[in-house]
Amino acid sequence: SQQGEEDPQALSIQEGENATMNCSYKTSINNLQWYRQNSGRGLVHLILIRSNEREKHSGRLRVTLDTSKKSSSLLITASRAADTASYFCAHLTGANNLFFGTGTRLTVIP
Amino acid sequence: DGGITQSPKYLFRKEGQNVTLSCEQNLNHDAMYWYRQDPGQGLRLIYYSQIVNDFQKGDIAEGYSVSREKKESFPLTVTSAQKNPTAFYLCASTPTGLGQPQHFGDGTRLSIL
Repeated sequence: SQQGEEDPQALSIQEGENATMNCSYKTSINNLQWYRQNSGRGLVHLILIRSNEREKHSGRLRVTLDTSKKSSSLLITASRAADTASYFCAHLTGANNLFFGTGTRLTVIP
Repeated sequence: DGGITQSPKYLFRKEGQNVTLSCEQNLNHDAMYWYRQDPGQGLRLIYYSQIVNDFQKGDIAEGYSVSREKKESFPLTVTSAQKNPTAFYLCASTPTGLGQPQHFGDGTRLSIL
């Protein structure tokens, strides 16, 4: 399978703590993207990191990429209750198609 | 505001019935995609279209059909051949260019009566 896998499958933290989610993939990639999905809604793109980048920041989000280990991590700092959602990584291969991981379900407790 | 509109939000299918899910975008995007999401799972690609009047099968195309007669529209038909259609269906679009982020609609939840 070309799909990625997120780890952990579920994560529960207190508001104000940091949340770290990991993603592994099996093939070579052009870029890796992270998306967020609120319950019953569509996915929203958060951040894209290219294969020649090692780290990228966007607000409270920090993404790292290690192509030698075929892994990426998403760090959300100073979490808020509104960050409660599922987070997916997706990598681009082939004809501009994304292969999505299975997601991490994050719960931030107020 | 530009975006992707999926309708209906909820849909029920009877045995032997074909149903069509609508996806419309006003983002002027060339490429459009249909995904299926099962509970607690990631997204699986059903069909995609890079340009009007052209589309390709994704990983799980059996039991589904699409058309792309207009740039703005990419309807998905779930046929009676799809024996396990209960799922959350998501439509997405992206502009031309390798690696562009995808924009998603808010999905249609399909259930069997």
